[in-house]
Amino acid sequence: DAMVIQNPRYQVTQFGKPVTLSCSQTLNHNVMYWYQQKSSQAPKLLFHYYDKDFNNEADTPDNFQSRRPNTSFCFLDIRSPGLGDAAMYLCATSRGHFTDTQYFGPGTRLTVL
Amino acid sequence: AQTVTQSQPEMSVQEAETVTLSCTYDTSESDYYLFWYKQPPSRQMILVIRQEAYKQQNATENRFSVNFQKAAKSFSLKISDSQLGDAAMYFCAYQPQGGSEKLVFGKGTKLTVNP
Repeated sequence: DAMVIQNPRYQVTQFGKPVTLSCSQTLNHNVMYWYQQKSSQAPKLLFHYYDKDFNNEADTPDNFQSRRPNTSFCFLDIRSPGLGDAAMYLCATSRGHFTDTQYFGPGTRLTVL
Repeated sequence: AQTVTQSQPEMSVQEAETVTLSCTYDTSESDYYLFWYKQPPSRQMILVIRQEAYKQQNATENRFSVNFQKAAKSFSLKISDSQLGDAAMYFCAYQPQGGSEKLVFGKGTKLTVNP
């Protein structure tokens, strides 16, 4: 089945140790999004790619970076994770821009020790 | 700035009963989209229902329906014949039609379904 896949589902890292989260999709969608969701809160958009065009949200910390080497894959890099970065990270895709339905992956839960 | 308010942090319903989740939003736009997303525990978020603001007819998807009141800026979700699998966090979300603005989520309502 076509879907959005996130690996790993659970990631533990140490304070300050770089970590990369992965997202892949078989939907052939143009847009890929990364959201941060902290406990009992709504998802917060970090950035998105429309094809190769990167769009960063104004309040996304510089500590967060993203790469999209091809249509299918998108990565979230956290250069120096802090305790406050512990959260669920959701990847989503949509065929076109925001008004198209977004399809979410299962998320990666990041723990920072 | 657009905001979405879900005034019920938690709701509960008996299996087979009907429950309504509330959502209000604030916008000066006339054209936009509204969504309800469901996020079950430890599972991925999925779209429940979508409403285009220019459509007066309320969207319906099987047991899920909305009551869209544009003038009141209200977008409630009704779940009929509730099932145990409906237990989840439900997020209301708003999106301007322009296509260049991000999806604005409410804080969510946690729905418990009691057997």
